[in-house]
Amino acid sequence: EPEVTQTPSHQVTQMGQEVILRCVPISNHLYFYWYRQILGQKVEFLVSFYNNEISEKSEIFDDQFSVERPDGSNFTLKIRSTKLEDSAMYFCASSGQGVKGYTFGSGTRLTVV
Amino acid sequence: QKEVEQDPGPLSVPEGAIVSLNCTYSNSAFQYFMWYRQYSRKGPELLMYTYSSGNKEDGRFTAQVDKSSKYISLFIRDSQPSDSATYLCAMSAGGSARQLTFGSGTQLTVLP
Repeated sequence: EPEVTQTPSHQVTQMGQEVILRCVPISNHLYFYWYRQILGQKVEFLVSFYNNEISEKSEIFDDQFSVERPDGSNFTLKIRSTKLEDSAMYFCASSGQGVKGYTFGSGTRLTVV
Repeated sequence: QKEVEQDPGPLSVPEGAIVSLNCTYSNSAFQYFMWYRQYSRKGPELLMYTYSSGNKEDGRFTAQVDKSSKYISLFIRDSQPSDSATYLCAMSAGGSARQLTFGSGTQLTVLP
C-alpha cells in the first residue's frame, strides 16, 4: 500500500537553530500538508501546498516556517529559528483530487533543547 | 465553543464488545468526515471516510454522520485487543479548504 515517508524519525536541535523536516508524499497525490502534534494535544494543521504554492495556512505557520517542493518527490518543512515550544511531532500528509485517501506519514519527533 | 469536541476517555472494554466513539462539531461547512487510528508516537492511520450524512460500513467498522445534529460516530463490532489505540475524528469543508480539523482523540483499550 502506498505510504508517506518522513525523515528523520527523531531530530534534536538547539534553540535558535534551523531545521528541515523531509517528506516523500504518495506519488500520484497532488496536495501536500504539514501538521503538528504537541505531546498530549490535538493534531493541528500548519499548511497545505498545491501546484507549487501554499493554498492554506494556519496562525501557527508564521514567518519562521516555510515549505518547499524542491524536486518531483520531496516536500520539506523548514523552521528558521527553533524555539522550545516548537518541540512536537510533525506529520506530513498527502491527498489526491478530493480529501479522500488523506494519508499521513509516521512523523518526525522534533525536540528543541 | 471548540470546533470539534471528542470525549478523550480513556475507554476500556472487554474483547468482543461493541465500541461507540463520538464527536460533535460546530462548523456547518464541514462536509467530509474521517476517522483515524493512532498508535503511540505514530502517524494517524485512515480508517473511515464519509461524505455528508449517512452510514458507511467497512468490515467491523461503521461510520455514521448526522449533519442535522452535527454529530458523527464510529462503531467497532467484535472489538479486539489489537483495536487498542487512540481514535481521532477529523473533518474538512472540502473544496479549496482542505485542512483537517481534528478532535482531541479517544483512547481505547480492549481487554483480552
